This record gives sequence, structure tokens and C-alpha cells, in this order.
Amino acid sequence: AQKITQTQPGMFVQEKEAVTLDCTYDTSDPSYGLFWYKQPSSGEMIFLIYQGSYDQQNATEGRYSLNFQKARKSANLVISASQLGDSAMYFCAMRARGYNKLIFGAGTRLAVHP
Amino acid sequence: NAGVTQTPKFQVLKTGQSMTLQCAQDMNHNSMYWYRQDPGMGLRLIYYSASEGTTDKGEVPNGYNVSRLNKREFSLRLESAAPSQTSVYFCASSEAGQGLTNEKLFFGSGTQLSVL
Repeated sequence: AQKITQTQPGMFVQEKEAVTLDCTYDTSDPSYGLFWYKQPSSGEMIFLIYQGSYDQQNATEGRYSLNFQKARKSANLVISASQLGDSAMYFCAMRARGYNKLIFGAGTRLAVHP
Repeated sequence: NAGVTQTPKFQVLKTGQSMTLQCAQDMNHNSMYWYRQDPGMGLRLIYYSASEGTTDKGEVPNGYNVSRLNKREFSLRLESAAPSQTSVYFCASSEAGQGLTNEKLFFGSGTQLSVL
């Protein structure tokens, strides 16, 4: 079975500080990809970052990095130097090669305070 | 650059009414998807189409039908709407449809549906 778990329904962080959003996953497929999407209050889904199961390095995209711990099956999103515009819902997602569909976690709502 | 276009953006139905949500993409993508988003449950896959001419059930297909009209268009139909189908619906597309694990999805802006 494929599963994504996000255990933090809500998080808050002070502006300019770093924040980590947790994501754990479950799959028996050795080949898979992990994604993070952002959903601001306007509702659109914005792709942030991708990590492949065979990638040796943790993925980074600007202020976003993915802390990939394969043995623990975790793929946490780290946002550095938080900005007010980072306030949004964040979804972790996974696509396993044998399953061929993108499945999502329940999401974490992040609030950035000035 | 339109990307993925969904219509309508908002809809209110009465129980038992039917409607079709339309989706079109202009990126020449092979795969298209319909998800629903409910509070505390993330996005759940209703149906998907890996390529033109094929459709498959996702996690929550009951009460829905789909049509892949051509490569660009993928519609979702509610034959007899129920209050449990009140949700935000997203259409998405992806490029290759070959099961590549790095294949990211591009989303439409969503349809907010209320069934009374």
C-alpha cells in the first residue's frame, strides 16, 4: 500500500525564521518520487520541489530544501528565512513507479507571523 | 499560457441533479487526472487517464464518471449529485504518462462544488 502521512495539521513560524514541515511515506516500491506542493489561500496548487528515491543529494530549490531520510521514510520540507507570503497549505505527495499515480498527504497549514 | 483550464469555478447543485466539470490542457500532455480536496484529507484521486482513449479508477471513483474526449479534454460527470460530493475538484495533467517517478502534475484552479 502507498501512503503519505503529514502529522502537523498546523504550524506557525516567525518571519525570517526557518521551519520544517514533516512528511513520512510508506511504499514497498524501491523507485519512487516525492513532491511538495503549496496551496495559498487563492487555491491554486504550486509545485515546490522534487526528490527521487535514488537521488544521493537532498533536493534544494531556492529557500526550499527537502530533508530526505530514506531509512526513516521521511521527506521533510525545510523553508528557510520564512516570508509572509509563505503562509499557505503545504502538501507532501508521492508517486511510486509501480503505482503510477500521485498520492497526497492531508496537508499542513503554515502561518507566518510578522 | 493557459495551462490547465477548469470550468466552472463555482457550482451549487441540489441533491439528485447532474452536472459535468470540464477540463482542458494546452500543454500536449498525455495524462490527465481528477482529484477532490476535502478538509483534513488532502487530495484524493477520483479518476485518471494515462493517455488518450484510456481511463482508470482512482481512490474514490464511486458516484463519478469521466470522459477523455481527446488529448486536450477530460471531463468529470456527476450523474446524481449527493451532499457527500460537496468538495473542491481539481483537474491536473502530466507530460509523459509513462510512469516516471519525477513526473510532476500541473493543476487547474479548482471548482468549488456544493450539493444541497
